[in-house]
Parts: sequence; C-alpha cells; structure tokens
Amino acid sequence: DARVTQTPRDKVTEMGQEVTMRCQPILGHNTVFWYRQTMMQGLELLAYFRNRAPLDDSGMPKDRFSAEMPDATLATLKIQPSEPRDSAVYFCASGLSLGTTYYSYNEQFFGPGTRLTVL
Amino acid sequence: KQEVTQIPAALSVPEGENLVLNCSFTDSAIYNLQWFRQDPGKGLTSLLLIQSSQREQTSGRLNASLDKSSGRSTLYIAASQPGDSATYLCAVTGYGGSQGNLIFGKGTKLSVKP
Repeated sequence: DARVTQTPRDKVTEMGQEVTMRCQPILGHNTVFWYRQTMMQGLELLAYFRNRAPLDDSGMPKDRFSAEMPDATLATLKIQPSEPRDSAVYFCASGLSLGTTYYSYNEQFFGPGTRLTVL
Repeated sequence: KQEVTQIPAALSVPEGENLVLNCSFTDSAIYNLQWFRQDPGKGLTSLLLIQSSQREQTSGRLNASLDKSSGRSTLYIAASQPGDSATYLCAVTGYGGSQGNLIFGKGTKLSVKP
C-alpha cells in the first residue's frame, strides 16, 4: 500500500552537527511538503516543492536549513549547523497537483516523521 | 494571515457518546479543509477532505461539515470508542501567499474512556 516514508525515524545529535532527513514521496505524487511540529508552535510549513521545483521555503531559517529534491523519488531536508531549538518532529507529506493554480492542490499524505533531538 | 483555532484543546468522554470537535479559521478564502488524526508518537492520518464548494463529507462514523462564510468546520464522531482516542487536527489550504500548503490548528486531544 502506497505511503510516504521518512528516514531516519529518530535522530539524536550534538549542537553544531549536520543533520540530513530524507523522504520518499508516494510514487506519482508531484508535490512534497516539509513540516515541523513542536509543542509550542504546533505544525508549521518549512518548504514545499511542485514537480521538484521549490515553490516556497519562507518558513525555513535560510542560514542553516536547506531543502532539495534530487529526483522525483527523494526529498531531503538538511540542517547545518544544528541547534537545540531545532529539536522537533519533522514531517514530510506528498500530494498530487494536476494544474498550475491553487485549486489544483489536493489531499496531502503524511510520513511517520523524524524525531530530532539536538543536545 | 490565516489562523486556525481548535476548541476545546482537550476532551474526555465516556465510550458510546456522540461528540463534536470544532475548528475555526480567520480567512474564508480557502481551497479546502482537511481533518487529520494523530496518535502519540506517530504521523498524521487524513480522515476527511472537504473542498470549498462542499458542505460536508462522511466516512463511517465520522462526519465533517464546512461553513466557509462563517469560517467554521465541525467533526462529528458518532458512538465514540476507546480506539478513537487521539489528537484531531484540522488544516486549511489557502489561496494567497503559500498556495497549496496546509495551515494547521493546534489540535483537540480526545480521550474516550471505556
């Protein structure tokens, strides 16, 4: 059954280290979203892609975060250098957008998340 | 800026009760609204998606309604069961700004007691 996969599921690292999180969207989906969930802020969008092109990354701290889609089956979110305030659960979601405007966006399917702890 | 609010933040009910979870949003210009379920330590499972042109959607014991003009949605759960215990999140997809992305409420944590 088709689902979004994320690796690693858990990551503990020390401040200053580089962290890379990976996401495999559902085959055939052309939109990919990265969200971050914390107790204080809830779920917030970090970045999203349509047909592998970044459409919006305004939610990401640009100096340390970067998101890419090397190919249609892989999305990555990288933090360098990591800080304790980056500790959160990071979710990837994918969906299918059939047109070029907002009304073509459809249901999003979420992966299980990567729980990041930065000490 | 779109804001999504869910009330109450937590709810505890005995098994078998019918219940309603509320969601409100400040900007009625939405494309769709989704209700999700999140179990502790897990990802989000999509429950229902309501397009802006629709008034409600039903799936099994769940019924979600949408009143776009008043900026409100409700999730009705019939005959609640202990397995329904989870956090329920609603999210809207807006038109302007970051088109296509979801803006989430903080969720309602539901506990159904046997």
